[in-house]
Amino acid sequence: QKEVEQNSGPLSVPEGAIASLNCTYSDRGSQSFFWYRQYSGKSPELIMSIYSNGDKEDGRFTAQLNKASQYVSLLIRDSQPSDSATYLCAVQQTNTGNQFYFGTGTSLTVIP
Amino acid sequence: EPEVTQTPSHQVTQMGQEVILRCVPISNHLYFYWYRQILGQKVEFLVSFYNNEISEKSEIFDDQFSVERPDGSNFTLKIRSTKLEDSAMYFCASSRGVSPLHFGNGTRLTVT
Repeated sequence: QKEVEQNSGPLSVPEGAIASLNCTYSDRGSQSFFWYRQYSGKSPELIMSIYSNGDKEDGRFTAQLNKASQYVSLLIRDSQPSDSATYLCAVQQTNTGNQFYFGTGTSLTVIP
Repeated sequence: EPEVTQTPSHQVTQMGQEVILRCVPISNHLYFYWYRQILGQKVEFLVSFYNNEISEKSEIFDDQFSVERPDGSNFTLKIRSTKLEDSAMYFCASSRGVSPLHFGNGTRLTVT
């Protein structure tokens, strides 16, 4: 069974701190990795994509991928109260169709 | 930027009735999906659709559910004989292939 694991949290950080969100996946055939942000009652919104090992930075967000360890993370620098949301890790596999597998999400609260 | 659009935003129905949830995926996308999220719970995969047929479905997607792409733009989810436990947010999503999943704003289904 293809699994994507995240700590459900809640994770609380003070405003201005770095929030670190982690995700592991079980299938080594996974090819693409995404982080989505979901505010309560809203749909998931794509914030980061990463396809190869290493770091990818976009503004205050950095995604890190380590395929050998089957691990992907998201760092949020200078956390803001508006970052308070649930963060979903998603893994894409295209070798059999085009399927996306989601973690259960990590709830992040940024305390002003 | 192109968006996935879903209608209606909120649907209230009585138990045992049939509902049709509608979606217009992004126009150059080839893969279409339905997900469900019960309040406070994780995003759950229902079904994926490619080349006018179902490519994968979850255990949730039983005979009560069906999907259709009746024309070149719409993608529908039909739920026959709704049950109380079908109350949830239903998200349509689409993907071009080796690219992220884009979600619509969702339809909140309430079964009374």
